[in-house]
Amino acid sequence: GDSVTQMEGPVTLSEEAFLTINCTYTATGYPSLFWYVQYPGEGLQLLLKATKADDKGSNKGFEATYRKETTSFHLEKGSVQVSDSAVYFCAPLFNAGGTSYGKLTFGQGTILTVHP
Amino acid sequence: AAGVIQSPRHLIKEKRETATLKCYPIPRHDTVYWYQQGPGQDPQFLISFYEKMQSDKGSIPDRFSAQQFSDYHSELNMSSLELGDSALYFCASSLGLTNREQYFGPGTRLTVT
Repeated sequence: GDSVTQMEGPVTLSEEAFLTINCTYTATGYPSLFWYVQYPGEGLQLLLKATKADDKGSNKGFEATYRKETTSFHLEKGSVQVSDSAVYFCAPLFNAGGTSYGKLTFGQGTILTVHP
Repeated sequence: AAGVIQSPRHLIKEKRETATLKCYPIPRHDTVYWYQQGPGQDPQFLISFYEKMQSDKGSIPDRFSAQQFSDYHSELNMSSLELGDSALYFCASSLGLTNREQYFGPGTRLTVT
């Protein structure tokens, strides 16, 4: 069945370090791919998206590329800031045979802590 | 810009009581989704509505029911509450079923004692 596997955390980095959070999926079709971020005590915010192979989503210095050959959508940022400390969720939107409408499947979440 | 509104933000109930959570989508959005996030867990899809009709159903207990009204707001009704129902309940909205971007509300934190 369709599933998503996200890099386990927590991840602790120093400010200006490089960030990678891995996300891979298994799907019978071609899902749309999303990264959501949850800051402490807040709701989920859409960070970036990609809807087809080789698309690159980007926002606030974060990037992720839809890799069909490796079924991956890894999140990267070249230089993290303390304000990036949050929980990050990879969330494919699977659509197998047109029977699923828009429900997101969330990865396990990765807690990122950035120290000054 | 207007966002998704959820009320109440916090709710404390006792076991076997009932609770009603409300969600007001972004203006013009016609699709609403409900997710449940247990402590330290990832959000799990419960149910969704498009144009006042149920469009998909996930792991929603039979004790829960939901509906979408003519003004597109939605309510999640929870009966016979159990301790395990304590969670953060998110509502999200989108414009149409084919628009894949879902915008989330701040959540309702339900505590069952």
